[in-house]
Amino acid sequence: DAGVIQSPRHEVTEMGQEVTLRCKPISGHDYLFWYRQTMMRGLELLIYFNNNVPIDDSGMPEDRFSAKMPNASFSTLKIQPSEPRDSAVYFCASSSGTATGELFFGEGSRLTVL
Amino acid sequence: GDSVTQMEGPVTLSEEAFLTINCTYTATGYPSLFWYVQYPGEGLQLLLKATKADDKGSNKGFEATYRKETTSFHLEKGSVQVSDSAVYFCALWDTGGFKTIFGAGTRLFVKA
Repeated sequence: DAGVIQSPRHEVTEMGQEVTLRCKPISGHDYLFWYRQTMMRGLELLIYFNNNVPIDDSGMPEDRFSAKMPNASFSTLKIQPSEPRDSAVYFCASSSGTATGELFFGEGSRLTVL
Repeated sequence: GDSVTQMEGPVTLSEEAFLTINCTYTATGYPSLFWYVQYPGEGLQLLLKATKADDKGSNKGFEATYRKETTSFHLEKGSVQVSDSAVYFCALWDTGGFKTIFGAGTRLFVKA
């Protein structure tokens, strides 16, 4: 069974450029989460979706960040324009919404903004 | 709001030593509790879980018991291996908002 798939694994870009990160959740999972991990702030929840609908985006840092989930098998996190302080590892995770709440994480996308 | 506090790292141990990583939580309801592990260059993966008071989660020699009276979920292993070197995250699942709240993570180094 394929796990959560993220792309790209590594992205290096220059300040001001647009960045799009992609995620394919596990088939059948109806919750999808985007997290950001940095040394300074640890693991932060940015936004999560249920059945493709954004439920809580209170963790999205600024209007430069946006996330979409056009269908059950695909989500994007976009940063436009990017800034050096956006450099981090971005994780996507999915869940089946069962009573235990277990999350399944992708391998992450490491973003470096120069 | 709900929160998770775990001991700061890094923790450095020799192989076959006993491991304890402390974790305490604050929650208004009855959350499920988790330990996730992150190996270098990888995403987090579930190590063990407990869904109610006095439950013991266990996996790969690791154990943790859900203690409601002390609001704790400490991770233990009797004999660590070099391959256990990783970052360990304590977490609670808030059933009300369907959010998982993570602790800051504890990095473990195991020396041969």
